[in-house]
Amino acid sequence: DAGVIQSPRHEVTEMGQEVTLRCKPISGHNSLFWYRQTMMRGLELLIYFNNNVPIDDSGMPEDRFSAKMPNASFSTLKIQPSEPRDSAVYFCASSLWGKNTEAFFGQGTRLTVV
Amino acid sequence: GQQLNQSPQSMFIQEGEDVSMNCTSSSIFNTWLWYKQDPGEGPVLLIALYKAGELTSNGRLTAQFGITRKDSFLNISASIPSDVGIYFCAGQLKTSGSRLTFGEGTQLTVNP
Repeated sequence: DAGVIQSPRHEVTEMGQEVTLRCKPISGHNSLFWYRQTMMRGLELLIYFNNNVPIDDSGMPEDRFSAKMPNASFSTLKIQPSEPRDSAVYFCASSLWGKNTEAFFGQGTRLTVV
Repeated sequence: GQQLNQSPQSMFIQEGEDVSMNCTSSSIFNTWLWYKQDPGEGPVLLIALYKAGELTSNGRLTAQFGITRKDSFLNISASIPSDVGIYFCAGQLKTSGSRLTFGEGTQLTVNP
């Protein structure tokens, strides 16, 4: 299996622009997570889906952030409009829903908003 | 929300030394996971623990699930330079489905 695949690996954009991050989870996994990592706040869970349905989006910082999972093999995280404080590394992870689960991470998207 | 207290925050050791780090919580966890993150990469799963008291090894790594289910430790024996990175503990609560709670990480530096 290729693992969790994220794109792009790096994104540099100007403040105010729309940014879309993409994730393909491991085939067969039915839970998908979006995390944000910064030096100041560490790894923060933004939102997670189970069977393509958002279960908990309490970590989404503001209305500028939105996430979708139209099918079991694809998810997007969108920031519109982007701001410099959104600069961070965004990770997608997937797992099997259940009692004992192991989450596997993608390589992340490093976002820089200038 | 739930919190995991991971310590130490950072460690500077000489190659060949053993390393120990741990995580504690006031909550009871079903699962404890240990991840390692290399610079520019995503966290990679090292060890998964599912039962209280469980002791699991993966090469030079050994981890244990605390009897109270509120803590876990990770030991690395005979460290080598490629052990450098950030180590995270993560716990899964009984009531949280697949959601994991992460510790703040331990930054490990190994001097050759």
